[in-house]
Amino acid sequence: AQKVTQAQTEISVVEKEDVTLDCVYETRDTTYYLFWYKQPPSGELVFLIRRNSFDEQNEISGRYSWNFQKSTSSFNFTITASQVVDSAVYFCALKGKVEDYKLSFGAGTTVTVRA
Amino acid sequence: SQTIHQWPATLVQPVGSPLSLECTVEGTSNPNLYWYRQAAGRGLQLLFYSVGIGQISSEVPQNLSASRPQDRQFILSSKKLLLSDSGFYLCAWSGGTSGYYEQYFGPGTRLTVT
Repeated sequence: AQKVTQAQTEISVVEKEDVTLDCVYETRDTTYYLFWYKQPPSGELVFLIRRNSFDEQNEISGRYSWNFQKSTSSFNFTITASQVVDSAVYFCALKGKVEDYKLSFGAGTTVTVRA
Repeated sequence: SQTIHQWPATLVQPVGSPLSLECTVEGTSNPNLYWYRQAAGRGLQLLFYSVGIGQISSEVPQNLSASRPQDRQFILSSKKLLLSDSGFYLCAWSGGTSGYYEQYFGPGTRLTVT
């Protein structure tokens, strides 16, 4: 069975602080895919990134960065110099082999950035 | 580019009434389609998914049903709503040029059963 754990339920920071969201996963598949989604107050889930299990290279996109560590089964997400617009619920998700059609989502972490 | 539409955006229905939520995708063909429900303050629960016309897989037994009458149309229905059916319903699709990996979500329907 696949499982995604986001241990942090809520994180509150002041604008310009960095915030790191933890994601730990479990899977028996040797090939799998990890994702991060953002859900702003409007409700729509926005896809942020996909990382394949065979590609452990970390990635940076503007103020967002992702740290994939296969050895610890973690795929953490850092927002640098947070802004009020970053306030949202962030979900980590896992998908097994390609013909497995389902995403396993974590419970989500609510990030509140205060001005 | 691909877009996904859901309607209505909000809905208030009495207990025991029927339900029909519609989702359509534009700009792609042969998508996988998904219905999720998100209860207030909770995570995402996959309800149904479809890999083709008329092919529906149910994840959670309940009084909801889904249908896919056309390649890019996905409908969520109920004959008699329960209070516990209240929530935020999200439709999603995968496929196209990015492959069947990430899912792209619609704007959602907020359903309140009174």
